[in-house]
Amino acid sequence: ETGVTQSPTHLIKTRGQQVTLRCSSQSGHNTVSWYQQALGQGPQFIFQYYREEENGRGNFPPRFSGLQFPNYSSELNVNALELDDSALYLCASSLPDRSSGANVLTFGAGSRLTVL
Amino acid sequence: DAKTTQPNSMESNEEEPVHLPCNHSTISGTDYIHWYRQLPSQGPEYVIHGLTSNVNNRMASLAIAEDRKSSTLILHRATLRDAAVYYCILRNRKSNTGNQFYFGTGTSLTVIP
Repeated sequence: ETGVTQSPTHLIKTRGQQVTLRCSSQSGHNTVSWYQQALGQGPQFIFQYYREEENGRGNFPPRFSGLQFPNYSSELNVNALELDDSALYLCASSLPDRSSGANVLTFGAGSRLTVL
Repeated sequence: DAKTTQPNSMESNEEEPVHLPCNHSTISGTDYIHWYRQLPSQGPEYVIHGLTSNVNNRMASLAIAEDRKSSTLILHRATLRDAAVYYCILRNRKSNTGNQFYFGTGTSLTVIP
């Protein structure tokens, strides 16, 4: 089975621009979440999508938005980019762990965004 | 979800066991203990999780204290490939926030050849 794939792997934008990052879930996974990881920090939860709707959000402003498609793939959109948006953006997909009910996440390798 | 405390960094010699500690004194009875690791230039990778009993899988073992206020991830024979940042995370089984995991800053493990 394929894992989680993200594109692009690296990109550079300037302040005020908009960016779209893409994620293909692991086969059969129906829940997708996005994380932002600044240099030297742990990943921070942005939001989660299930059945094409956002159903959980971290402490991120509305200019961070997303989509989930019927095939469970997903996009993260960031408008009006700021310098502090420079980070690694990680996508994770999941199904509930059948044996214990605890979610196990499968992450992609991430998209490295640099805002100049 | 309750928070965890981990040492910032640890070192281990190759082929020796490694014990990575995690304190979670405010853990609730319905919190799962998860461990993920992040190798350089990669996304986090699931390692193991447990609730009350010790757990073993092909990657590692998880030892949970009897009062559940601390746990230890055990790598039985460290290899150079195990050099990574290890995150200990609590997840409430009743949480309705799905995949909202709080990662913290983790423990950076260095494996010495």
